[in-house]
Amino acid sequence: KAGVTQTPRYLIKTRGQQVTLSCSPISGHRSVSWYQQTPGQGLQFLFEYFSETQRNKGNFPGRFSGRQFSNSRSEMNVSTLELGDSALYLCASSRTGVGYTFGSGTRLTVV
Amino acid sequence: QQQVKQSPQSLIVQKGGIPIINCAYENTAFDYFPWYQQFPGKGPALLIAIRPDVSEKKEGRFTISFNKSAKQFSLHIMDSQPGDSATYFCAASLLQGAQKLVFGQGTRLTINP
Repeated sequence: KAGVTQTPRYLIKTRGQQVTLSCSPISGHRSVSWYQQTPGQGLQFLFEYFSETQRNKGNFPGRFSGRQFSNSRSEMNVSTLELGDSALYLCASSRTGVGYTFGSGTRLTVV
Repeated sequence: QQQVKQSPQSLIVQKGGIPIINCAYENTAFDYFPWYQQFPGKGPALLIAIRPDVSEKKEGRFTISFNKSAKQFSLHIMDSQPGDSATYFCAASLLQGAQKLVFGQGTRLTINP
């Protein structure tokens, strides 16, 4: 069965721009979470969606937003990019909200 | 109170040895403790998970030991192989509701042939 698919795999953006990352969860999975991974801060929770509703949000500024569609696919958006936003952004999905399967991530570089 | 502290930061073990990675948590409300394995260029993959009503859980060569009173849990890898070389993350969360995984800082494990 297909895993969690994240697109694009790599992205280079300029400071001040905005970016949209996409995540297709495993079929049948209704919970989608997003995490930011950096060498300094490790893995940090961004937000979690279940059936199109945001149920939990991490401690990130309002520039970070997300949404989930009726087919469970999810997008996250980062506006006004800063150099510190350079990171691996990981999407994870679960049928019930337990035992998440992660995608391979989108590597975002802000220059 | 949301932190999970993981040690050591890096670990080198000879093939066949038993690497042990330790984690400590603060929030006593946490009731789900998974371990993830991450290879370069890949996302973390769920290895094994435990709930606090169990003191030990084994899956293949991987064992979690859990000490609820000390608020600590650890991962043991039996008969370690070079293919086990990866970064390992412990995590903690609440089982009910919107699950937000709080991760440890990770342990880079190297198994020498």
